[in-house]
Amino acid sequence: DTEVTQTPKHLVMGMTNKKSLKCEQHMGHRAMYWYKQKAKKPPELMFVYSYEKLSINESVPSRFSPECPNSSLLNLHLHALQPEDSALYLCASSQDQGPSYEQYFGPGTRLTVT
Amino acid sequence: AQRVTQPEKPLSVFKGAPVELKCNYSYSGSPELFWYVQYSRQRLQLLLRHISRESIKGFTADLNKGETSFHLKKPFAQEEDSAMYYCALSGRGGGTSYGKLTFGQGTILTVHP
Repeated sequence: DTEVTQTPKHLVMGMTNKKSLKCEQHMGHRAMYWYKQKAKKPPELMFVYSYEKLSINESVPSRFSPECPNSSLLNLHLHALQPEDSALYLCASSQDQGPSYEQYFGPGTRLTVT
Repeated sequence: AQRVTQPEKPLSVFKGAPVELKCNYSYSGSPELFWYVQYSRQRLQLLLRHISRESIKGFTADLNKGETSFHLKKPFAQEEDSAMYYCALSGRGGGTSYGKLTFGQGTILTVHP
């Protein structure tokens, strides 16, 4: 399996809801990433996990809470989001964290906050 | 800080014409440069990286450290090359930016028949 999968594909949630995004890879990669992509903009890094430990947090608001339960799985827990958080959320993985490693991207979860 | 600059204006060419997508970067150390591509309704994927010096789908890119550029070129564009192209930089520096991938704004390429 050489793909990163993400569920759900689409998510609509209210500002008081709690939801989670899920990302999975079975390539044996030890680094996993969350990006946020607004329409017609490039992906912006949110979090990096390396060997299941949070390595980079790009000053993301606490209403976004990442979790890496094991080396294959990455979650993003969402709570009390704002309409401006509506975006495409991309997950990626790479063999290791570092500049030389190709990142493999999932198809994304399109999130709408109402 | 690391920064990547791409022209935001879409690029249109005819099939068989040469194409050049421009990318300039700002980084104090020695960067790793990449080109990622996103075809319509497909996921973002790596096209090529400067360190491998490969030609992928007829595309090449040369890192010019003097001009801090990493332009993507193809001598004869094909219709299937139509896509969004992102130039990206990953820094070798340690600390909180290690391995962080920073994307340019992206350039939409349309190849007309």
